[in-house]
Amino acid sequence: DTEVTQTPKHLVMGMTNKKSLKCEQHMGHRAMYWYKQKAKKPPELMFVYSYEKLSINESVPSRFSPECPNSSLLNLHLHALQPEDSALYLCASSQGWTDPNQPQHFGDGTRLSIL
Amino acid sequence: EDKVVQSPLSLVVHEGDTVTLNCSYEVTNFRSLLWYKQEKKAPTFLFMLTSSGIEKKSGRLSSILDKKELSSILNITATQTGDSAIYLCAVSETSGSRLTFGEGTQLTVNP
Repeated sequence: DTEVTQTPKHLVMGMTNKKSLKCEQHMGHRAMYWYKQKAKKPPELMFVYSYEKLSINESVPSRFSPECPNSSLLNLHLHALQPEDSALYLCASSQGWTDPNQPQHFGDGTRLSIL
Repeated sequence: EDKVVQSPLSLVVHEGDTVTLNCSYEVTNFRSLLWYKQEKKAPTFLFMLTSSGIEKKSGRLSSILDKKELSSILNITATQTGDSAIYLCAVSETSGSRLTFGEGTQLTVNP
């Protein structure tokens, strides 16, 4: 088990549904990340939050909407997704966005399937 | 654009063998290189190598950073079936913690 907790572990949704992915960490980290990982590919960065503010959006479609309610929580709201959005969505956290000596720690991910 | 290349992409060995995984990178302002192990779920952090820490060791795993050659190796000695996983190499720049990942090396250790 990791110190970054993601829920749900699996999610199946239709293209018209609205759902949310949740991520929680209690390590006091101030940077949190969302990644998308397709099968047999490395993780691709989607969003970075630093001190609860959105620092990076890697040109992600607006059907993905991140939210950081507080320093321990990170959400990813999903709406009108496409079949190609099916993937493993990973959350990660680190001490700080500019901290040079601390690695990112990943959660187990949410495996998302779009019907 | 930052680039990370890992080799080999796939490797099959027998228990007890020693393996060496390679990672080379092209980064504008290099800050650190990280190794992760990914089984079915979360990438698990193994090592972080920086200019001030170019060699790390933990049990049967060790890693070296060669800043001159812009590369790193991950060594695993006396491999076990539990070492079977995808090993990801990633680099970060001085501007922040954005990680650029390589494609990974799929290691299979057979009994």
